[in-house]
Amino acid sequence: NAGVTQTPKFQVLKTGQSMTLQCAQDMNHEYMSWYRQDPGMGLRLIHYSVGAGITDQGEVPNGYNVSRSTTEDFPLRLLSAAPSQTSVYFCASTGAGRASTYEQYFGPGTRLTVT
Amino acid sequence: QQQVKQSPQSLIVQKGGISIINCAYENTAFDYFPWYQQFPGKGPALLIAIRPDVSEKKEGRFTISFNKSAKQFSLHIMDSQPGDSATYFCAAATSYGKLTFGQGTILTVHP
Repeated sequence: NAGVTQTPKFQVLKTGQSMTLQCAQDMNHEYMSWYRQDPGMGLRLIHYSVGAGITDQGEVPNGYNVSRSTTEDFPLRLLSAAPSQTSVYFCASTGAGRASTYEQYFGPGTRLTVT
Repeated sequence: QQQVKQSPQSLIVQKGGISIINCAYENTAFDYFPWYQQFPGKGPALLIAIRPDVSEKKEGRFTISFNKSAKQFSLHIMDSQPGDSATYFCAAATSYGKLTFGQGTILTVHP
């Protein structure tokens, strides 16, 4: 198993540009989520999905869109990049069978810089 | 509003010493309290977790102490090693996979 994979690893955008951060998992996990990590603020939930076709907002959803057409993939779209979106983005997944532990498996992250 | 507050922001410990990181939460609906460890350039990984029906959980050198009445929990790393140097996050969850994280603690263990 590759686990949770994210692409790209690094990205530089200009203000106003759009892009999609890719996330895929091969563990047949139902639950997937996106976090951003900023210094001194921990990880904050952006959007999450409890299964294909079902998504919901987290703590900091503004400026981001998500969709979940398959169990495996959960892309995060930046509609019009802003410098405030400079951050490290992590995708995570949790399997239905792990509900008793809520253990989340994190990808390696995407470091995004918006100039 | 930060629902999970973590301290200290950074911690320096000598090899063999005890590292202690504290967290406090506000939402009494939280029912799962994990600790994640993160090395530079990597995603966080689950280290140890506890549910509020127990006051302590130990796994090797890592122990979680949980005080439900005070709404506090802490991570103790016994016999700290240089390889433990990492960022540690406490977290709390009310439902399936939806974690609220603390701000993180950068731990440095000097040889």
